[in-house]
Amino acid sequence: DQQVKQNSPSLSVQEGRISILNCDYTNSMFDYFLWYKKYPAEGPTFLISISSIKDKNEDGRFTVFLNKSAKHLSLHIVPSQPGDSAVYFCAARSFAGTDKLIFGTGTRLQVFP
Amino acid sequence: DSGVTQTPKHLITATGQRVTLRCSPRSGDLSVYWYQQSLDQGLQFLIQYYNGEERAKGNILERFSAQQFPDLHSELNLSSLELGDSALYFCASSVVGQGHEQFFGPGTRLTVL
Repeated sequence: DQQVKQNSPSLSVQEGRISILNCDYTNSMFDYFLWYKKYPAEGPTFLISISSIKDKNEDGRFTVFLNKSAKHLSLHIVPSQPGDSAVYFCAARSFAGTDKLIFGTGTRLQVFP
Repeated sequence: DSGVTQTPKHLITATGQRVTLRCSPRSGDLSVYWYQQSLDQGLQFLIQYYNGEERAKGNILERFSAQQFPDLHSELNLSSLELGDSALYFCASSVVGQGHEQFFGPGTRLTVL
């Protein structure tokens, strides 16, 4: 049962343009959503998060949007840079005695010049 | 550098063997999580320890076990290894109750031959 889904395994974007990564979830009990970036041979690095009581959170070039009615969130990167090329994981937390994270399968972003 | 360390970085072993993966959390973090990432999959939660006590279990096989020691480092023990256990194993840590971000170590790549 995949509670967090990233349906696009890959995305290719030109440098300077916007990258939009999408994530869908099924569990309405999730209270936090997070985005992690992962380079090869490294662990995931926390990027940005959003509480379920908000619909937008912004940090520099990164903005996360949450649409609770659609159970959908997206990560916008503007402008995209070659260094953003990595695998991006969406994760969700359901705080019910534990704060374990449930991850999507990731989207590989490639930013080309 | 997340501040979470994992050893060893790589481990190659044979089926039927037993291995121990080690994790040191960030200074001050009481909670340790273990995740498994198989090929082209998202991270799957295995188990969480908080201040020495098991807090939550995910899809962890009975052949796997973990513990957290008084100095807060954690070990994940994998026994009777099978080919399908080959994966990346990540440890993460957090300060439970003061944030939802988890900080990941660089991972241990386990190859079972």
